[in-house]
Amino acid sequence: QLQLQESGPGLVKPSETLSLTCTVSGGSISSSSYYWGWIRQPPGKGLEWIGSIYYSGSTYYNPSLKSRVTISVDTSKNQFSLKLSSVTAADTAVYYCALGSGWNTPLDYWGQGTLVTVSS
Amino acid sequence: DIQMTQSPSTLSASVGDRVTITCRASQSISSWLAWYQQKPGKAPKLLIYKASSLESGVPSRFSGSGSGTEFTLTISSLQPDDFATYYCQQYNSYLTFGGGTKVEIK
Repeated sequence: QLQLQESGPGLVKPSETLSLTCTVSGGSISSSSYYWGWIRQPPGKGLEWIGSIYYSGSTYYNPSLKSRVTISVDTSKNQFSLKLSSVTAADTAVYYCALGSGWNTPLDYWGQGTLVTVSS
Repeated sequence: DIQMTQSPSTLSASVGDRVTITCRASQSISSWLAWYQQKPGKAPKLLIYKASSLESGVPSRFSGSGSGTEFTLTISSLQPDDFATYYCQQYNSYLTFGGGTKVEIK
């Protein structure tokens, strides 16, 4: 069964770049069946889709975050990554990686999430 | 962009109650709507896709309906495991989520 696990620093300073990695196990990130995405949830608030990527490298971003987001894939490591630049306290959230059958489809499987706090 | 509005934001109910949550889209999304359940400290779990299709393994007491701009999630007989927060999500244009409905014990 596919499993996803987020990893990365839990604390990032304002104006710096947030970097997270999602490691996929139980299946290949190069599968033509899946798109891989990032979603975040500020403490006590709702969910926000950040963007998605296909194993070929095609990316799809939330227009409201597009100028600050880069999602990439490393098929050799069965991982995909998120970079969010110029962070502020508003970017403090639990960050989830997830997968769907398309970039604009429901998200079938989710990682457990990782809390990233933006603070000096 | 498409805005999703859920109501109510909080719902108090008892075990065995029939519960209905509403989700409205700011423009037509056909049937491109999903519902998720989230428990505290856990990732969301997909319940329903394409407005009314039940995800594999999800109990049949959950059902979804609607099309266009108005959708509902119904739990026919609330069980103890169902106390959670529920989110709708449109996938007609990018992905956006509703604000959530917390179902709490009455």
